[in-house]
Amino acid sequence: QQQVKQSPQSLIVQKGGISIINCAYENTAFDYFPWYQQFPGKGPALLIAIRPDVSEKKEGRFTISFNKSAKQFSLHIMDSQPGDSATYFCAAWYNQGGKLIFGQGTELSVKP
Amino acid sequence: NAGVTQTPKFQVLKTGQSMTLQCAQDMNHNSMYWYRQDPGMGLRLIYYSASEGTTDKGEVPNGYNVSRLNKREFSLRLESAAPSQTSVYFCASSAPPTDTQYFGPGTRLTVL
Repeated sequence: QQQVKQSPQSLIVQKGGISIINCAYENTAFDYFPWYQQFPGKGPALLIAIRPDVSEKKEGRFTISFNKSAKQFSLHIMDSQPGDSATYFCAAWYNQGGKLIFGQGTELSVKP
Repeated sequence: NAGVTQTPKFQVLKTGQSMTLQCAQDMNHNSMYWYRQDPGMGLRLIYYSASEGTTDKGEVPNGYNVSRLNKREFSLRLESAAPSQTSVYFCASSAPPTDTQYFGPGTRLTVL
């Protein structure tokens, strides 16, 4: 199975709160897990990424938590800001096929 | 350094018309990709090219053709457009070791 399942589809968070987006996969051949951020009218841009040999990666307010045994990973946005309002995509790199499989996307809205 | 550029930005076609979406990158990347983005569906891979002279089908190739003209350029052709091809199309490029994909600004296509 080459699917990546992402939830929730949409998320509303108050300014200063924590935003959490979850993804799950089945194929153990995936070996690189990036998150992309997309603002309206723009192309997606890499936000943060993790490889399965670590359980957590933090860059500023953004943290990826990775659970290899459960085949799940999540994005945490601490101290969420209105400027974080965007669509977020998780993805998994399928090394054997040389392609990236995307989740369905989460539309995040951070209210002032 | 413009990154990934796409033309046109917007296009309206009638059913049965043909058109070519252009993509160019100036990052000397070997791999290039075409995706379509539809609400609730995430980004779905149409075709990709791992290197100059090679192309492979992605998840949703039907109704499309591609040409890897040279290392910089990768075009997507709709021979006979259908309303189901109404979407936003993104081109991307990448290179090892990170395999980070860099996206263009997208082409919004409407087929009437």
